[in-house]
Amino acid sequence: VTLLEQNPRWRLVPRGQAVNLRCILKNSQYPWMSWYQQDLQKQLQWLFTLRSPGDKEVKSLPGADYLATRVTDTELRLQVANMSQGRTLYCTCSGLQVSNERLFFGHGTKLSVL
Amino acid sequence: AQKVIQVWSTTSRQEGEKLTLDCSYKTSQVLYHLFWYKHLLSGEMVLLIRQMPSTIAIERSGRYSVVFQKSRKSISLVISTLQPDDSGKYFCALWELDNYAQGLTFGLGTRVSVFP
Repeated sequence: VTLLEQNPRWRLVPRGQAVNLRCILKNSQYPWMSWYQQDLQKQLQWLFTLRSPGDKEVKSLPGADYLATRVTDTELRLQVANMSQGRTLYCTCSGLQVSNERLFFGHGTKLSVL
Repeated sequence: AQKVIQVWSTTSRQEGEKLTLDCSYKTSQVLYHLFWYKHLLSGEMVLLIRQMPSTIAIERSGRYSVVFQKSRKSISLVISTLQPDDSGKYFCALWELDNYAQGLTFGLGTRVSVFP
């Protein structure tokens, strides 16, 4: 059973353009939603964990700027801007517990720069 | 500096063999958990094993086990009787209580190829 629906699965992004990603949670047992990025060197790195609707965070990393928004209890979004290198973004979810550790992953969105 | 180290980026074996994937980690914290994930060719990331301080949870039934050496800060994933379906990329990951809001720290992964 897929806990997360992530789309699109792949996107070609013209240099200088932003792209919006969306992740839908299918099981409310795992309400903590996060974004992870995997860069071209295949390093998987945590970006954000947003727990409540209305939460927003920004982050700048080598090769991209991010704005993450928890829209509702079941929807998480990520805007990727100023991307200079391709990467894959994974949405994850985990349970309501002190720890944030047992993760379920979406299928990922692969972004390539045109 | 890498906190989670997987020395081998790729490895290959024949069907039926046993494979051990090594992972070492760095932490000064008392409470932490370790994980092994498999990244499938489909893109899906699947949790295989969760190692807690004194217990282990096998999340995915199969031919998986671990060798956990806490004093050496090492956790190896053992896959017995390899099958072609075991091909994929395996990630070791660390969760630390004091950094719980920052998610998991992953190693770079080891790509496994199993040949018939």
